[in-house]
Amino acid sequence: QVQLQQWGAGLLKPSETLSLTCAVYGGSFSDYYWSWIRQSPGKGLEWIGEINHSGITNFNPSLKSRVTISVDTAKNQFSLKLISVTAADTAVYYCASRIVGATRFDYWGQGTLVTVSS
Amino acid sequence: SYDLTQPLSVSVALGQTARITCGGNHIGSKNVHWYQQKPGQAPVLVIYRDSSRPSGIPERFSGSSSGNTATLTISRAQAGDEADYYCQVWDSVTYVFGTGTKVTVL
Repeated sequence: QVQLQQWGAGLLKPSETLSLTCAVYGGSFSDYYWSWIRQSPGKGLEWIGEINHSGITNFNPSLKSRVTISVDTAKNQFSLKLISVTAADTAVYYCASRIVGATRFDYWGQGTLVTVSS
Repeated sequence: SYDLTQPLSVSVALGQTARITCGGNHIGSKNVHWYQQKPGQAPVLVIYRDSSRPSGIPERFSGSSSGNTATLTISRAQAGDEADYYCQVWDSVTYVFGTGTKVTVL
């Protein structure tokens, strides 16, 4: 059983950088791809990108230019950075996992509300 | 981009059957997954690969997919099934979620 616990700043000003981290407990870290997904009232659920234990990443083309996802295998953690945020980036951000070879998200973090406001 | 369309809302009487559709071009050729999301909580996987149930999900939840429509069926609906439901596929570039359906149990 995998558990995900996430944290990060919840209030940002426009142009700042969003930074979130997700810790993984249980399971085998190398058996999964680790994703970030966000949910805003205007756009529903939106996949941001993913990373595996080796640092291989995949990104949503719509966000790729502003997103960095990194992994720390020593701590079983992965992180999201989104630069140059605007009000449109206001959303609940979730970390989630999918087992290698599958296309579904089996486990989710608790979510972090990030608000961008001047 | 690949779009998945769901009805905004579905109402079902207690104990009856609710059917939630997810429309997408040739969705029958893709693996469709369904999530349940209750207010203030993260989504929970309830159906994967069109019709498989994760451990712990009641048999009342079932799924099917063919042509341009996938369907999540909730049999013998209970008050605790009230939630938002989302379909999801992999479109070869990104993971895509449906627009979401609010299920109300009357």
